[in-house]
Amino acid sequence: EADIYQTPRYLVIGTGKKITLECSQTMGHDKMYWYQQDPGMELHLIHYSYGVNSTEKGDLSSESTVSRIRTEHFPLTLESARPSHTSQYLCASVGTGTYEQYFGPGTRLTVT
Amino acid sequence: AQKITQTQPGMFVQEKEAVTLDCTYDTSDQSYGLFWYKQPSSGEMIFLIYQGSYDEQNATEGRYSLNFQKARKSANLVISASQLGDSAMYFCAMREYHKAAGNKLTFGGGTRVLVKP
Repeated sequence: EADIYQTPRYLVIGTGKKITLECSQTMGHDKMYWYQQDPGMELHLIHYSYGVNSTEKGDLSSESTVSRIRTEHFPLTLESARPSHTSQYLCASVGTGTYEQYFGPGTRLTVT
Repeated sequence: AQKITQTQPGMFVQEKEAVTLDCTYDTSDQSYGLFWYKQPSSGEMIFLIYQGSYDEQNATEGRYSLNFQKARKSANLVISASQLGDSAMYFCAMREYHKAAGNKLTFGGGTRVLVKP
């Protein structure tokens, strides 16, 4: 059973606010990922990390930023939320020697 | 060009019957992998099954099996004996290796399955 957590699960916030979406895993996985998913649509990779102090942008351009100061923690930050940021954000991790990505429960963000 | 194509946006299936979800992919890599994930209305992504490009046998996991046809670049998911709890979105995804980035997943657009009692 994968142990990857995301908080909050749901967030409704006003335009212009700064927000941080939390993602933590207790499996010691080096590789972590952030995906953005609009309702009923495919997932798009927006950020990934291959270890501490390593972060890269994904395939879909995003105004969000990420950090990886600890192996288990991979937070995503939006400095100034806009309605176009309304979406679901899914965090995932992969262990060494395997390909399966374990996903967290997701954060559904609504910016009003 | 789409890397992963799921041509069935939605489908109904009768409880206890089998259903096949289509997935075709496009890659020039020799080494790659195909995944299927289930996403219920609660939003989490649940791993179902994985097939590596070099695996000669079709992958099976309980009621899930992957019909891998490499020459046709298709990786269809078969769910046998459908249950009401199988109602969800199903996503096909492909793993490719990128020199700088390592393994990355690309997802298809998904197929919504509704199981009727």
